[in-house]
Amino acid sequence: GENVEQHPSTLSVQEGDSAVIKCTYSDSASNYFPWYKQELGKGPQLIIDIRSNVGEKKDQRIAVTLNKTAKHFSLHITETQPEDSAVYFCAASRGRRDDKIIFGKGTRLHILP
Amino acid sequence: GAGVSQSPSNKVTEKGKDVELRCDPISGHTALYWYRQSLGQGLEFLIYFQGNSAPDKSGLPSDRFSAERTGGSVSTLTIQRTQQEDSAVYLCASSPEGEQYFGPGTRLTVT
Repeated sequence: GENVEQHPSTLSVQEGDSAVIKCTYSDSASNYFPWYKQELGKGPQLIIDIRSNVGEKKDQRIAVTLNKTAKHFSLHITETQPEDSAVYFCAASRGRRDDKIIFGKGTRLHILP
Repeated sequence: GAGVSQSPSNKVTEKGKDVELRCDPISGHTALYWYRQSLGQGLEFLIYFQGNSAPDKSGLPSDRFSAERTGGSVSTLTIQRTQQEDSAVYLCASSPEGEQYFGPGTRLTVT
């Protein structure tokens, strides 16, 4: 079955610097890749997603890139701010109604003052 | 409400007791998912509903766990004869197609 690996498990970044989280997936049929942010005591919240027909998508300070050949995708956060501190999960799915979304194990991002 | 809601937000129970956790999905979302998240861990898939049927129950860890969904809306996750290892946050998500929207979770503590 699908397996999603996420690195690093913990990441500390100085405020204002960029943060990058990387994921790889095993199922070549995967074509939907969401990213979730989970703040303490809350459920994960979808922050951005990308489908396999594009290689990059940007939303303000957040961008995702996808390399289908290498089966990896990344989350980039620029100009990090204290409120970016959270756990981030990547995920992959075949994108059809009945398909499960498989999550990575998460990255705990700390923004240092 | 606008989002997925779950109740209770916190539940403390004694080992051996049964518990019921409730999820109210976003109106109109046909797909509903249950996950378990242990402290500091990722999301463990439990069960998936499409309408009232559960085509994928592969994640349920034992026969003490069951779930149902009625009217294509509210779902309940039942854990019978709870064990200490059942302590975790139980998350529910609903989906129109593809993207999933999560509730705040129920924190279950088995003493």
